[in-house]
Amino acid sequence: DGGITQSPKYLFRKEGQNVTLSCEQNLNHDAMYWYRQDPGQGLRLIYYSQIVNDFQKGDIAEGYSVSREKKESFPLTVTSAQKNPTAFYLCATQDRGRRKSGNTIYFGEGSWLTVV
Amino acid sequence: AQSVTQLDSQVPVFEEAPVELRCNYSSSVSVYLFWYVQYPNQGLQLLLKYLSGSTLVESINGFEAEFNKSQTSFHLRKPSVHISDTAEYFCAVSDPSGTSYGKLTFGQGTILTVHP
Repeated sequence: DGGITQSPKYLFRKEGQNVTLSCEQNLNHDAMYWYRQDPGQGLRLIYYSQIVNDFQKGDIAEGYSVSREKKESFPLTVTSAQKNPTAFYLCATQDRGRRKSGNTIYFGEGSWLTVV
Repeated sequence: AQSVTQLDSQVPVFEEAPVELRCNYSSSVSVYLFWYVQYPNQGLQLLLKYLSGSTLVESINGFEAEFNKSQTSFHLRKPSVHISDTAEYFCAVSDPSGTSYGKLTFGQGTILTVHP
């Protein structure tokens, strides 16, 4: 089954703990993104990676970290420095080699993180 | 910098009525435009997109959007909605050139609720 797999779907974290959200894709897409979604605020970009071993901060990177050691994987760590981590997190991919498709970005099913 | 404004946070309509979800953007360069739909607890799915050419674009489930460059708008319309169209809809814009290539800027979302 092809696509983007995010896990876990639901995650609870105690304050002060780091937690890692997984994102795996088998679409062979070059670019991968992490967005955060809060009610009424749309989606905000946390980090993105255009190629393996390279990534850039998005608009709200503070308190988050990522790695891109493999093309298929782009895990997001929510650190204890993130003051308000409870949110819905969405991973996305993009095939940058396909100019005719424009900048179409494809999303995973999301992960809910709740701090308790 | 780009920005997207969705003018209505919530739009309630009755089944079989027409609907318009409004989206305005600001950008100093030419853009690609997208509409995504999100059902509860799921990721975003691409509904339709404008890259170039005809300013009227259509989706397979009856939605259409028209790119209006002079008014910097990309409103989404459907002549007759169904209960199953109840979802949150996001307008997004991206810059097809430069270092920001591939990154989407999202509006705040519009919740469409279709009542029987």
